[in-house]
Amino acid sequence: EAGVAQSPRYKIIEKRQSVAFWCNPISGHATLYWYQQILGQGPKLLIQFQNNGVVDDSQLPKDRFSAERLKGVDSTLKIQPAKLEDSAVYLCASSPPTGADTEAFFGQGTRLTVV
Amino acid sequence: AQSVSQHNHHVILSEAASLELGCNYSYGGTVNLFWYVQYPGQHLQLLLKYFSGDPLVKGIKGFEAEFIKSKFSFNLRKPSVQWSDTAEYFCAVNVNQAGTALIFGKGTTLSVSS
Repeated sequence: EAGVAQSPRYKIIEKRQSVAFWCNPISGHATLYWYQQILGQGPKLLIQFQNNGVVDDSQLPKDRFSAERLKGVDSTLKIQPAKLEDSAVYLCASSPPTGADTEAFFGQGTRLTVV
Repeated sequence: AQSVSQHNHHVILSEAASLELGCNYSYGGTVNLFWYVQYPGQHLQLLLKYFSGDPLVKGIKGFEAEFIKSKFSFNLRKPSVQWSDTAEYFCAVNVNQAGTALIFGKGTTLSVSS
């Protein structure tokens, strides 16, 4: 079974620039998550999709971050404009549509460095 | 709001030593509990999970964890660690409801010397 695919793996940008990350979840997984993992901390949820609808975006800094999941499959996360404190690993995860007793499967992540 | 606390930031052990990593959560209702591991250069992988039933759960690679509801704890254990267990370990919890997102602790870095 193919895993969660993310690209790019690494990105370096200057502050105030924009950047986009892409995620392709495991086939058939209805739920997709974007997490931000700052060095030394655990992953923090940014946004959760169920199919192509947003379930939880309460921790997404909406003044600069946006995300979409067109057609309920692939997803993109965008930051515009980036700040130094956005330097982190951005993780995408997906889980099957059945019940609460399901695990989330994670991609390799995109390591963003803002200089 | 739910939160997860991992007591040890960095643990250093010699091979064959026993391991116990602490995890406590704050939430009064029914939760699902997870331990994930991240080996160097790899993605987060599930070690084990608890949803219901026997509070002692066994996972991959000889790891186990015990859910103690009265203590809001879910500590991870392994009787004898190997050099290959060097990794970062994350405890996570979600509300026992379909589709709720995981809340992670800050992680514990385990370094095992041979």
